[in-house]
Amino acid sequence: GDSVTQMEGPVTLSEEAFLTINCTYTATGYPSLFWYVQYPGEGLQLLLKATKADDKGSNKGFEATYRKETTSFHLEKGSVQVSDSAVYFCALDSSYKLIFGSGTRLLVRP
Amino acid sequence: EPEVTQTPSHQVTQMGQEVILRCVPISNHLYFYWYRQILGQKVEFLVSFYNNEISEKSEIFDDQFSVERPDGSNFTLKIRSTKLEDSAMYFCASRLTGGRTGELFFGEGSRLTVL
Repeated sequence: GDSVTQMEGPVTLSEEAFLTINCTYTATGYPSLFWYVQYPGEGLQLLLKATKADDKGSNKGFEATYRKETTSFHLEKGSVQVSDSAVYFCALDSSYKLIFGSGTRLLVRP
Repeated sequence: EPEVTQTPSHQVTQMGQEVILRCVPISNHLYFYWYRQILGQKVEFLVSFYNNEISEKSEIFDDQFSVERPDGSNFTLKIRSTKLEDSAMYFCASRLTGGRTGELFFGEGSRLTVL
């Protein structure tokens, strides 16, 4: 079945460092891809999405490009802030439901 | 901004007891979901609900679980006889359309602790 694989965390960075969180997927067809973020004590919030190959989703300085050839949707940010500390989930849309990866915790130190 | 609301935020119960988790989806949304997240683990799909019936359910969603939309606003998850392994954060979500681009909006979750 469809699945999402994320790099394991935690990822610990200093403020203003470059962030990459890897995400690859296995799916039949061409699903939409999402990144959700979960701040401490809160629910899941949509960060960005891409609906077709080569689409780039972006929000709050984060970007991810839908790469069909490598079945990837890696999350990047050029300069992280302490406030970006959270758990990031990659997800794909499969038969009208989302399938999530295991999540990657990001810790940003001042 | 419209949001999905869940109650209670935290419930502690004894093993074998029944639990009902409540959700109020965004008012014009048509598709409803429950997910769960065991502490530190991935977010797992439980069930989807559309047009007053279950659209899909996962292997986790066994006979101990049920969902209901008793009126026009609430969407509930019932666990008939809780087990220790039911301890988790339960998230309700809703979306306007069922299409592949429709965003899921999540509530803040209900933490269930089974003792």
